[in-house]
Amino acid sequence: AQSVSQHNHHVILSEAASLELGCNYSYGGTVNLFWYVQYPGQHLQLLLKYFSGDPLVKGIKGFEAEFIKSKFSFNLRKPSVQWSDTAEYFCAVRMDSSYKLIFGSGTRLLVRP
Amino acid sequence: NAGVTQTPKFQVLKTGQSMTLQCAQDMNHNSMYWYRQDPGMGLRLIYYSASEGTTDKGEVPNGYNVSRLNKREFSLRLESAAPSQTSVYFCASSARGPGELFFGEGSRLTVL
Repeated sequence: AQSVSQHNHHVILSEAASLELGCNYSYGGTVNLFWYVQYPGQHLQLLLKYFSGDPLVKGIKGFEAEFIKSKFSFNLRKPSVQWSDTAEYFCAVRMDSSYKLIFGSGTRLLVRP
Repeated sequence: NAGVTQTPKFQVLKTGQSMTLQCAQDMNHNSMYWYRQDPGMGLRLIYYSASEGTTDKGEVPNGYNVSRLNKREFSLRLESAAPSQTSVYFCASSARGPGELFFGEGSRLTVL
């Protein structure tokens, strides 16, 4: 079955540390890839997206993600996290022309001041 | 900027009761979605409507029904609520297919 995996369920970092959150999907066809963020008490917002072209995409708030097709991965990175990055991060994948957007189980990030 | 509006934001039901979650978007989007969010399971698609007049099942449709009332509104109905339906429900919309989704603030439902 098609699936999206986020292996890190909880991550705790200190401010200024570097961040990398993993996302893998199981599908061999064309994919569109997304990272969403949910700040405490708020709804989900789009961080960044990949449809085609340069596999390194930049999003809001200094986040970036790299699509590695051979590894079926779309990891999220940020060189230096801030306390305000504390949130839950969701990877999502659209497979072929499906209307369905499949989400991973999420990673809770806590950034300590 | 209202975006996607969901009502109610909180609801407590007893097992067997019915209720409808309402969702409206003011962005003239074609596609609308209902997801549920459960701890450790991310968001799972319940139903979606690719365009006005169409609805399709997602990953977890059992126990739910939907109505795409018009282009703006997409409601989710629980005919006979069960404790397993305790969750946070999110409505979302997108302009063309599930590209960028715009989410509502969520509706927290507890079934006792």
